[in-house]
Amino acid sequence: AQSVTQPDIHITVSEGASLELRCNYSYGATPYLFWYVQSPGQGLQLLLKYFSGDTLVQGIKGFEAEFKRSQSSFNLRKPSVHWSDAAEYFCAVAAFNDYKLSFGAGTTVTVRA
Amino acid sequence: DGGITQSPKYLFRKEGQNVTLSCEQNLNHDAMYWYRQDPGQGLRLIYYSQIVNDFQKGDIAEGYSVSREKKESFPLTVTSAQKNPTAFYLCASRGSNQPQHFGDGTRLSIL
Repeated sequence: AQSVTQPDIHITVSEGASLELRCNYSYGATPYLFWYVQSPGQGLQLLLKYFSGDTLVQGIKGFEAEFKRSQSSFNLRKPSVHWSDAAEYFCAVAAFNDYKLSFGAGTTVTVRA
Repeated sequence: DGGITQSPKYLFRKEGQNVTLSCEQNLNHDAMYWYRQDPGQGLRLIYYSQIVNDFQKGDIAEGYSVSREKKESFPLTVTSAQKNPTAFYLCASRGSNQPQHFGDGTRLSIL
């Protein structure tokens, strides 16, 4: 069974600074990988996904993520954060044949002025 | 607009009651999912359905039941057997070779 670890529970970053959220996964084959964002009391919005091909994936809202098979990682980055990026971020992995998602525990991002 | 509608947004349950959470989608997606979200634990899969009239248990199915009589609808019943039902419940659907899309959730609380 697949699993996901997000080592950072909470990150605080200054507006305009760069952001990197870590994600490590465990899965025996090539995984499908996702990053979702959640605002308080809302559902999840897909930021980006990796199925195959180029290991650097571009998403919405200026986010990107890089798949590194050797490190079993799929870290999310943004060069310059905006106050509206304050939210909770979830990394998820799915098996290629059933698309059931396993989620990490999430990382809460706080943006200070 | 196409999307996933969960209702109600807030729901209260008395001890010993069953309650049903609604999830409707007009995206023509075959697969639908129910997740439970608790603080600090991410999302955990309760049930999922890949086609009408068929569904499978997820990781935490005890105390829950579902039905999938129509492609558009996947209601979740939280039974009295679920001893700790207070949580945020999220429904999702997925088209072929696509990621899951989520509704806005239902927050269930015990009176």
